[in-house]
Amino acid sequence: EDKVVQSPLSLVVHEGDTVTLNCSYEVTNFRSLLWYKQEKKAPTFLFMLTSSGIEKKSGRLSSILDKKELSSILNITATQTGDSAIYLCAWDQFYFGTGTSLTVIP
Amino acid sequence: DGGITQSPKYLFRKEGQNVTLSCEQNLNHDAMYWYRQDPGQGLRLIYYSQIVNDFQKGDIAEGYSVSREKKESFPLTVTSAQKNPTAFYLCASSTSGAPYNEQFFGPGTRLTVL
Repeated sequence: EDKVVQSPLSLVVHEGDTVTLNCSYEVTNFRSLLWYKQEKKAPTFLFMLTSSGIEKKSGRLSSILDKKELSSILNITATQTGDSAIYLCAWDQFYFGTGTSLTVIP
Repeated sequence: DGGITQSPKYLFRKEGQNVTLSCEQNLNHDAMYWYRQDPGQGLRLIYYSQIVNDFQKGDIAEGYSVSREKKESFPLTVTSAQKNPTAFYLCASSTSGAPYNEQFFGPGTRLTVL
């Protein structure tokens, strides 16, 4: 059965720390992997990674896809309290992981 | 402003009742989706539609029904056959149903069965 697994489930850090969130996927036919940020209700899109685009960066956030290891990481540098949220990864927009809950303490 | 709206924000239902959750988008997107989110379980796909008058079941479609009569609307009915309907429901849309399109999410409806 195809599935997406995220780790850690939750994380508490201090402002200024750097965090790395993990997403591994066990799928039979990889096409795209997406990262979303869910602060209160509606998830908002962060990045999409595909075979032709394995690295994305936007400000303090960056993401890399490792097709060989069937995994992806989301890095956040110099964290701020506004980064506190649940971070979700999804395979092919249909299958979501359980999410990583990030709390950034001032 | 373009976006997705869901209503109501909160919904309370008695056991044995059917309820319908509304989802409307004005983004001119072809594809629309319904997810259910429970604590610690992420988002699970209930139904999706890639085009008007066509929809497919997701992993947890039992006890739910949908319709797609108009491009901008994708209502979800939670029937009395759904054994544990209390959850947070999210609607989303994307340009098309292809796997290379980000989804835009609505604000969600929290359903509680009394």
